[in-house]
Amino acid sequence: DAKTTQPTSMDCAEGRAANLPCNHSTISGNEYVYWYRQIHSQGPQYIIHGLKNNETNEMASLIITEDRKSSTLILPHATLRDTAVYYCIVYQTGANNLFFGTGTRLTVIP
Amino acid sequence: DGGITQSPKYLFRKEGQNVTLSCEQNLNHDAMYWYRQDPGQGLRLIYYSQIVNDFQKGDIAEGYSVSREKKESFPLTVTSAQKNPTAFYLCASSIEKGQHEKLFFGSGTQLSVL
Repeated sequence: DAKTTQPTSMDCAEGRAANLPCNHSTISGNEYVYWYRQIHSQGPQYIIHGLKNNETNEMASLIITEDRKSSTLILPHATLRDTAVYYCIVYQTGANNLFFGTGTRLTVIP
Repeated sequence: DGGITQSPKYLFRKEGQNVTLSCEQNLNHDAMYWYRQDPGQGLRLIYYSQIVNDFQKGDIAEGYSVSREKKESFPLTVTSAQKNPTAFYLCASSIEKGQHEKLFFGSGTQLSVL
């Protein structure tokens, strides 16, 4: 089920941009890239998703490479409250399940 | 405020006992889901329901049962057949049946075995 590869952990200084990479080299043309995050002992929270164009919302930006084999989630000004596990998920509309792997544990350092 | 409410936050189960985890949503969502999360691991789908009175097994349904008698409610029963029930259980919902990608999660229930 794992269609994505993410680093196990990353650190980021508070106030700096956090860039979280994700490889999805086997992604197919009708699959979207979704990002969620999970703060300790809480349920995951939807962040952003995209197909092939870059996307931005109030939480983050998503940069997808032209070949769609990788993407980067950008938190422009990380705060301590952004410390969480970030999940990159490849999803085909209509499929029965989002596969949450082990994600990247981001620690924002004061 | 609209959202998903899971209760209780912590639950303890004795050997051979069935326990039921509650999940209620007031988002008017059609689809609801139950996931299990073990320490340091990702989420695994237990059951999901796309509409009232219908539900489907996920990847790890053995030892669990669900019901969907009302749109707002999707309780999960952990039966005595589930030999390793200690885990963090998450309930989620999505707006439309078949549109599983934008999930709204509850705050979870931590189940432990005494």
